[in-house]
Amino acid sequence: GDSVTQMEGPVTLSEEAFLTINCTYTATGYPSLFWYVQYPGEGLQLLLKATKADDKGSNKGFEATYRKETTSFHLEKGSVQVSDSAVYFCALNLGAGSYQLTFGKGTKLSVIP
Amino acid sequence: EAGVTQFPSHSVIEKGQTVTLRCDPISGHDNLYWYRRVMGKEIKFLLHFVKESKQDESGMPNNRFLAERTGGTYSTLKVQPAELEDSGVYFCASSFYDEQFFGPGTRLTVL
Repeated sequence: GDSVTQMEGPVTLSEEAFLTINCTYTATGYPSLFWYVQYPGEGLQLLLKATKADDKGSNKGFEATYRKETTSFHLEKGSVQVSDSAVYFCALNLGAGSYQLTFGKGTKLSVIP
Repeated sequence: EAGVTQFPSHSVIEKGQTVTLRCDPISGHDNLYWYRRVMGKEIKFLLHFVKESKQDESGMPNNRFLAERTGGTYSTLKVQPAELEDSGVYFCASSFYDEQFFGPGTRLTVL
């Protein structure tokens, strides 16, 4: 079945460091791919998405490119801030009438001043 | 505009008891979803309502779980009787189209 694998955390970075969180997927067909973020005490928020191969999703300085050849959707940010501390989830949706999201386990990011 | 709300935020019950979780979606969102995250595992899909109808309940683990959505508005998820392995965080989400908006979750602990 379909699945998402993302790098285990926690990840601790200094402010202004470069961030990469790896995400790979296994799915039949051509899924849509998502990154969700959960700040402490809040629900998951959609951070960015990509719906087809080579699409780049971007938001708040974060980027991820849908790589069909490597089945990957790695999250990157050039300079993290303390306010980026959160749990990040990679997810996919197979479409074709299904709305369910398949998530990875989540990666906790802590950014220290 | 109010977001997705869930009640209670935490619930601690004993094995064999019944618990009912509530979700209020964003007004106007016909789609409502339940997900669950067991400790250390992925967030797993449970089911999807369109208005008051169950569109997809392929993720419901067993018949101890009963989800309802009264009049296509709020939804409840009842666990009866609760087992230890039901502990986790239960998330509700709603959508108008494809972007799902999540609530903060209900943390359920079964002792």
